[in-house]
Amino acid sequence: GAGVSQSPRYKVAKRGQDVALRCDPISGHVSLFWYQQALGQGPEFLTYFQNEAQLDKSGLPSDRFFAERPEGSVSTLKIQRTQQEDSAVYLCASSFFDPEQYFGPGTRLTVT
Amino acid sequence: QKEVEQNSGPLSVPEGAIASLNCTYSDRGSQSFFWYRQYSGKSPELIMFIYSNGDKEDGRFTAQLNKASQYVSLLIRDSQPSDSATYLCAVNKDTNAGKSTFGDGTTLTVKP
Repeated sequence: GAGVSQSPRYKVAKRGQDVALRCDPISGHVSLFWYQQALGQGPEFLTYFQNEAQLDKSGLPSDRFFAERPEGSVSTLKIQRTQQEDSAVYLCASSFFDPEQYFGPGTRLTVT
Repeated sequence: QKEVEQNSGPLSVPEGAIASLNCTYSDRGSQSFFWYRQYSGKSPELIMFIYSNGDKEDGRFTAQLNKASQYVSLLIRDSQPSDSATYLCAVNKDTNAGKSTFGDGTTLTVKP
């Protein structure tokens, strides 16, 4: 079946712009995760949804980062007033009720 | 000190050899353990998970868990050049859901 999809795959933003990154999880997957991966490092947790409820947002680095999943399916990660340090790959993962997570292809964000 | 530690490598093995990848974690409450493979420029792909002490085998891959020593390893038998990738260790405090904490990965090169 279809895997996790993310769009856009690449995004270039000027410093100060707002961006929105979309994640479409595997159909039927209850849990959805956002991670940030810098070059040469492992993914760092940002936030986690179970259905439409955001159960953990402890990894969001600042109040410029906001995520939502209003209908318990598609999720959007929004970054306001982007900064150069926001440049990274943003990974979305989904799972059913277990912690085995399946990742999408990621969105590479470059802030210039 | 990171919660999940891996030797960054690179680890180089000849084709056909056994590759041994190691991971230690600091949180004794960790319940589930994962190995992901990440090819350059791609997203992580789940290859093994283990919840109980001991060994778990799947094809050429064996995951080993020792909770007393807070140690997880991945053995790859009959290594192939296509196994060349970064291997990420991840741990989770739950067996039902929740975020995973990743190490920074070990880069494996299998030489023909």
